[in-house]
Order: sequence, then structure tokens, then C-alpha cells
Amino acid sequence: GAVVSQHPSRVICKSGTSVKIECRSLDFQATTMFWYRQFPKKSLMLMATSNEGSKATYEQGVEKDKFLINHASLTLSTLTVTSAHPEDSSFYICSARPSGGAGEQYFGPGTRLTVT
Amino acid sequence: AQTVTQSQPEMSVQEAETVTLSCTYDTSESDYYLFWYKQPPSRQMILVIRQEAYKQQNATENRFSVNFQKAAKSFSLKISDSQLGDAAMYFCACVDFGNEKLTFGTGTRLTIIP
Repeated sequence: GAVVSQHPSRVICKSGTSVKIECRSLDFQATTMFWYRQFPKKSLMLMATSNEGSKATYEQGVEKDKFLINHASLTLSTLTVTSAHPEDSSFYICSARPSGGAGEQYFGPGTRLTVT
Repeated sequence: AQTVTQSQPEMSVQEAETVTLSCTYDTSESDYYLFWYKQPPSRQMILVIRQEAYKQQNATENRFSVNFQKAAKSFSLKISDSQLGDAAMYFCACVDFGNEKLTFGTGTRLTIIP
């Protein structure tokens, strides 16, 4: 149980275009989902917290107009990187917190974004 | 604000031996949860073990166990009978009860020597 999928696993896009990443909790409902960015050999950096049916809460320094987050249902959150630039190239990971859980988060397998 | 400190950037252990990874944390709350996550080369974060702060008994999951010292704010992970598949980055994490965000440590890279 507690499986989170993330799609796509890898994406290459051209500078100036937008790319959408999907995060789904497959066998549980998640009132809250999270989006992280991870640089090589570093810990996870929280970008935003996404609550179903409401606006996402962004961490300081994260541009909300560049990283659009939608949490349309209890099992799906999406991250859209708009007008992507090479510096947006990174590894993006989503996680989901089960409703009624004990604070744990279950993670998706991540998405490698490369902007050329 | 919470902080989580992992003072060992890298550790290594012989296969079949036991290794302990250190973690200390700081929080002003009395109720919180602690976790160890594993990130193998695939980069999939995997929940290894969790500990509720109100429980005195140390959590155990098969070969993985913790030494939770609440007064010292210490939460170490012991891996017994180390296997090659245990090679990974290990992250310690903390979340206050009622809060949502996990605070992660900087990670410890564990190498298993055959």
C-alpha cells in the first residue's frame, strides 16, 4: 500500500515552453500533497504544499507564477513549470500525506526535467 | 522552527555487519513524529521507519531499529545484517503533530562493502 506515482519520469523541453508533471496517490486519499526539488547530492527542498480544493502554499523564494500547482482531487496534484529556463532543470519529487495519517509522507519516483 | 542534523555525510559498513546512523533534532513541541527515509540510486524515497514521540518503546522494522532518546533529542537508525541493497542516502526527518511539513536532515550516504 501507500503508492504514489509520478508522470513523466523524464522530460526534455525547450526553453520558453511549459511542462506539466502529475502526481497521483494510487491506493489512498491525500488531503495534502507536496512538491520538492532536489539538487544533486543534496536534501529535498520543499517548494510548495498543496491542499485539495484550495490554493497551494509556496515556500519563500519559490515563484508561484512559474510553478503552478493544482490539487483537483484527493488523489491528484499537478505541477506546471511555465516558461521553463535551463536553470529550472532539476529533479522534482512529489509526496502525499494520507488523510488521517501520522505525519508520514509517501513519495513519488520523481521527474527529471531538462530544459534545453 | 525545527532543525534536523545528520553529522555523518558518509558511512560505510561491511556486508552482514551492523551500522548506526546518527540524527539529532530540535523542536519546541512535545508531540511530534520522527522518520528515517532511504533514497537508493533510483532516487525513489522510501519510508524505512517511524517513531511517535509519545511512545517510549523504540520502533523496529525487521533489520531496522531506532534508538530514540527524547531528552537528548536523538534519533539514530541501526541497520543489522547489512545487505548490498541497503546502500543509499538516508534522511532523518521530523514533523510536529498537527503540522504538515517534514523537516529533513542533510542525509548520510551509506556504502555497503561486499
